[in-house]
Amino acid sequence: AQTVTQSQPEMSVQEAETVTLSCTYDTSENNYYLFWYKQPPSRQMILVIRQEAYKQQNATENRFSVNFQKAAKSFSLKISDSQLGDTAMYFCAFMKFENDMRFGAGTRLTVKP
Amino acid sequence: EAGVAQSPRYKIIEKRQSVAFWCNPISGHATLYWYQQILGQGPKLLIQFQNNGVVDDSQLPKDRFSAERLKGVDSTLKIQPAKLEDSAVYLCASSLSGTRGGQETQYFGPGTRLLVL
Repeated sequence: AQTVTQSQPEMSVQEAETVTLSCTYDTSENNYYLFWYKQPPSRQMILVIRQEAYKQQNATENRFSVNFQKAAKSFSLKISDSQLGDTAMYFCAFMKFENDMRFGAGTRLTVKP
Repeated sequence: EAGVAQSPRYKIIEKRQSVAFWCNPISGHATLYWYQQILGQGPKLLIQFQNNGVVDDSQLPKDRFSAERLKGVDSTLKIQPAKLEDSAVYLCASSLSGTRGGQETQYFGPGTRLLVL
């Protein structure tokens, strides 16, 4: 079974600074997808970024980028120029090619003014 | 474009009572998911529908949980009878086809927060 581990229950960062959230996963699959989802206090989950395992290039979306290390089964999220609106729970998730998304326990990020 | 709608937003019941949650996915989305999110944990998939058929219900506690999507649009998740450990947020999500795996984005609703006393 696939498992997703987020070892940082809580993190904080000053506004405008950079923060990195960690995620590791365990799988025997070769083809899969990895995601970071953001869940603000309103609780509506929003996709932040997606990485396809067969792509070596790290995905980026504006201020959000990932460091995907397939051999190490590591998938960290870097948020640059942190903004107050980035305050949220962040979930790392794994999906086999077909379906069945598995989430980590989440990291609560607080951006301080 | 309207997002995924869920109701009610909050529900408090006593153990052994029944409860039902409703979800209306984004218009045109064929695939609908129900997740359970227990406090301090990530969401866990309970059931996935493709139109009105069940694709995956391997993690649905079928002795007390049931779900249906009769016309392939909106869906209802029921718990009967509820236990204390069912206290959680129940999230509904939808995606366009559900046949493209991780290439397709799942869009989540605001969730229903259930408290079982």
